[in-house]
Amino acid sequence: AQKITQTQPGMFVQEKEAVTLDCTYDTSDQSYGLFWYKQPSSGEMIFLIYQGSYDEQNATEGRYSLNFQKARKSANLVISASQLGDSAMYFCAIKTRTGFQKLVFGTGTRLLVSP
Amino acid sequence: NAGVMQNPRHLVRRRGQEARLRCSPMKGHSHVYWYRQLPEEGLKFMVYLQKENIIDESGMPKERFSAEFPKEGPSILRIQQVVRGDSAAYFCASSPGQGDTGELFFGEGSRLTVL
Repeated sequence: AQKITQTQPGMFVQEKEAVTLDCTYDTSDQSYGLFWYKQPSSGEMIFLIYQGSYDEQNATEGRYSLNFQKARKSANLVISASQLGDSAMYFCAIKTRTGFQKLVFGTGTRLLVSP
Repeated sequence: NAGVMQNPRHLVRRRGQEARLRCSPMKGHSHVYWYRQLPEEGLKFMVYLQKENIIDESGMPKERFSAEFPKEGPSILRIQQVVRGDSAAYFCASSPGQGDTGELFFGEGSRLTVL
């Protein structure tokens, strides 16, 4: 079975600062994908970034980067230069072949960006 | 290129009635996933379907819930004899189903309220 743990129920950051949202995972699969999604108050799920288990480089997408530490089974999301519009719930998720390619989500972290 | 379309966006039912939620995947996608999100919680996997087949229903309650993805038409999540605890947001996601990488594309969700 796959499991995602997000230990930070809420995080606060000031505008223009960087913030790290923690995510650890558990799987016995050698091949897996790690994902981060954003859910603003409007409710939709927005894909942010993906990291494959065999990718040697950390994934980056604009202001988002994924700090992938395979030995520690950690996949933290780093948001640089936070903006007010970054205030939302953030979910980490894992996908594996033995899990029938479904996404298994963590409980999420609520990020609040203040001016 | 239309995204994942879910309808209705909001549905109100009285206890004991039936709820039917529809999901049309993105064009070219043959894999559909249903998730449930209770208030202030993460997304919980319910069922994974390909055309005319249920691949993984490990997250579906054993009674009252069913899902289908016919050869023609949208995927349907059906909840019979709804109870107050069924009040939640139900998200559909689709993927082309190639390997265990690749994001799931989410619809905007259907919010069910049971009175």
